[in-house]
Amino acid sequence: EVQLVESGGGLVQPGRSLRLSCAASGFTFDNYAMHWVRQAPGKGLEWVSGISWSSTNIGYADSVKGRFTISRDNAKNSLYLQMNSLRPEDTAFYYCVKDFLGDGWFDPWGQGTLVTVSS
Amino acid sequence: EIVLTQSPATLSLFPGERATLSCRASQFIDNYIAWYQQKPGQAPRLLIYDASKRVTGIPARFSGSGSGTDFTLTISSLEPEDFAVYYCQHRSNWPLTFGGGTKVEI
Repeated sequence: EVQLVESGGGLVQPGRSLRLSCAASGFTFDNYAMHWVRQAPGKGLEWVSGISWSSTNIGYADSVKGRFTISRDNAKNSLYLQMNSLRPEDTAFYYCVKDFLGDGWFDPWGQGTLVTVSS
Repeated sequence: EIVLTQSPATLSLFPGERATLSCRASQFIDNYIAWYQQKPGQAPRLLIYDASKRVTGIPARFSGSGSGTDFTLTISSLEPEDFAVYYCQHRSNWPLTFGGGTKVEI
C-alpha cells in the first residue's frame, strides 16, 4: 500500500522559513515524479511544485517561485519543500502527492500538514 | 497559465438524481483533464484522468467526457457518499492548475 506521510508543518512568523518533509513507502519512489499541492482552509486546491524522478525537471507555481524549493532524496524515499520568506497567504494544508502514472495526475495524496503563517 | 473554470459552484440534488459538472479551460488542452473528489476532512482522490478514464475501483456511475476546452463529469445516480466537492485539473503544461471546485450538496 502506498503511504505518504508529511511532517514539518506548524506556526511560523511572516518572513521566516520552514521545511516540509514527506516520507514515501509502498512503491518504487525513484520511478515517479512527486508534487506538493496546498489548500488554504476552506478554499480550493493549488499546485505548488513538482519534481521529476531524477530531479532534472522542476516546476513551481508563480505564487511561490523564488521563495520555495522542492527537492528529493531517492535513497531515503523522501520529498522536501523548503519554504522561505513565508507570507500569511501561504497558510494552508500542504499535501505530498505521488504522480499517478508519471503523467501529471495526482494519486494518492498524503494526509497533509498544516502550515500557519502568522505573527 | 491555463485557467480552469468550473460550474456551477454548487449543485443541490437529491440522492438518485443525475449530476452534471462542467469544467472549461482557457485554452486548448486536448484530453488532459482529471477529476478529483474531496470529502470534508479528507485529502482529494483521483476519479477520472485523461478526460474519460476511470481509476480502478471508482464506481461506473462516474464518467467523464469532453476534449479541447470543455469537459464534463457526470454522476449518473447520486449515492449518499457522492455528496462532496469535485475539482478538475489539467496537465497540459506547467504550472498545473485546478478549477475552483463544484460542491454537490443534498
